[in-house]
Amino acid sequence: DQQVKQNSPSLSVQEGRISILNCDYTNSMFDYFLWYKKYPAEGPTFLISISSIKDKNEDGRFTVFLNKSAKHLSLHIVPSQPGDSAVYFCAASKGSSNTGKLIFGQGTTLQVKP
Amino acid sequence: DTAVSQTPKYLVTQMGNDKSIKCEQNLGHDTMYWYKQDSKKFLKIMFSYNNKELIINETVPNRFSPKSPDKAHLNLHINSLELGDSAVYFCASSQTPDSNYGYTFGSGTRLTVV
Repeated sequence: DQQVKQNSPSLSVQEGRISILNCDYTNSMFDYFLWYKKYPAEGPTFLISISSIKDKNEDGRFTVFLNKSAKHLSLHIVPSQPGDSAVYFCAASKGSSNTGKLIFGQGTTLQVKP
Repeated sequence: DTAVSQTPKYLVTQMGNDKSIKCEQNLGHDTMYWYKQDSKKFLKIMFSYNNKELIINETVPNRFSPKSPDKAHLNLHINSLELGDSAVYFCASSQTPDSNYGYTFGSGTRLTVV
């Protein structure tokens, strides 16, 4: 039973345009959400996160939106750059568990075309 | 100067063999993890250690035995390897078990059992 899902395996956008990556979750106990970026042959790297008490968090070109009622979050990248081409994973945690456990989605491969 | 380093990067071995994957972090983090990325690309937690103490064992077969000699190292030993163990294994660390700080991942070990 996968509690975090990224239903789009891939996304292709033109350089300079907006990239929107989506993530859905099923467990209402999740209270913290994170996005990771992964290049081939490398480990995932932390990108941006959001607490469930917020609905938006912004860091430069990256913004994460959280819709708790819909159990949905999205990552917006504006403007998209070719270097953003990578696999993006969303992840969720129950902070109260104090175990550090993250539940990951299966990733979305983003291709940004020059 | 790699923050989380794991060796080897690639490992090809026959069924029934025993193998180890090593992981070291130089970040001074208290918590270390092993994750498995399966053929469907999901990253799933296997083990979590905090200050050398096991805090998560996520129903992993007991052929998998983690060992943490100190808080900077978390090694993974696998006995009697099976075809289904083929996957990419990622080591990670975080400052505390509070995953809100995000993980730092190693670059992964691709294990192929033939």
